[in-house]
Amino acid sequence: GQQLNQSPQSMFIQEGEDVSMNCTSSSIFNTWLWYKQDPGEGPVLLIALYKAGELTSNGRLTAQFGITRKDSFLNISASIPSDVGIYFCAGRYTGTASKLTFGTGTRLQVTL
Amino acid sequence: GAVVSQHPSWVICKSGTSVKIECRSLDFQATTMFWYRQFPKQSLMLMATSNEGSKATYEQGVEKDKFLINHASLTLSTLTVTSAHPEDSSFYICSASAFQGNVAKNIQYFGAGTRLSVL
Repeated sequence: GQQLNQSPQSMFIQEGEDVSMNCTSSSIFNTWLWYKQDPGEGPVLLIALYKAGELTSNGRLTAQFGITRKDSFLNISASIPSDVGIYFCAGRYTGTASKLTFGTGTRLQVTL
Repeated sequence: GAVVSQHPSWVICKSGTSVKIECRSLDFQATTMFWYRQFPKQSLMLMATSNEGSKATYEQGVEKDKFLINHASLTLSTLTVTSAHPEDSSFYICSASAFQGNVAKNIQYFGAGTRLSVL
């Protein structure tokens, strides 16, 4: 099935640094979601975006729904060790009964 | 937030046997549940969409006779891997869609996953 292109694929950062990752699609979505997955666990929802241009925050996390509806980005400010994990974007098409298409994932590792 | 329980979390079975995985929405009713498969260091790939009281819709390339899905109630869906073989070893994750007052805002909440190892 289709996957969204997510970048970077992985990143090592130091504690306290800001992180930015993005997700792009060749098709339009009407909803973008960002999830975090810890090893051996299911994804946990971080932020949901429903409108083009929407900018939403959840604590140190900020995500935006791109104006073209074909991209989204996630920023994490002042990273801490527990931010380690894999971050997935997911998009949903209009009329697909909530079916999500997932990004390829960004693996984040934070060093002290 | 909505809680989705998945059981078992880990199962080892012999080749040729069948394995059943349960997915329950604990504090909400889910008209739609989804089953995903995830191989190591890869993303989630949707296997099928399950609607309560009707047949599941399978994604292209997923064998419906091998991966049997039953969604008998608004809080329970099961995935049965029939005649499992080593290549079926993977991490299987379910999700349940929670109505948010607007269908366009439905959110998928995920279970913790089931790691299947077929010997």
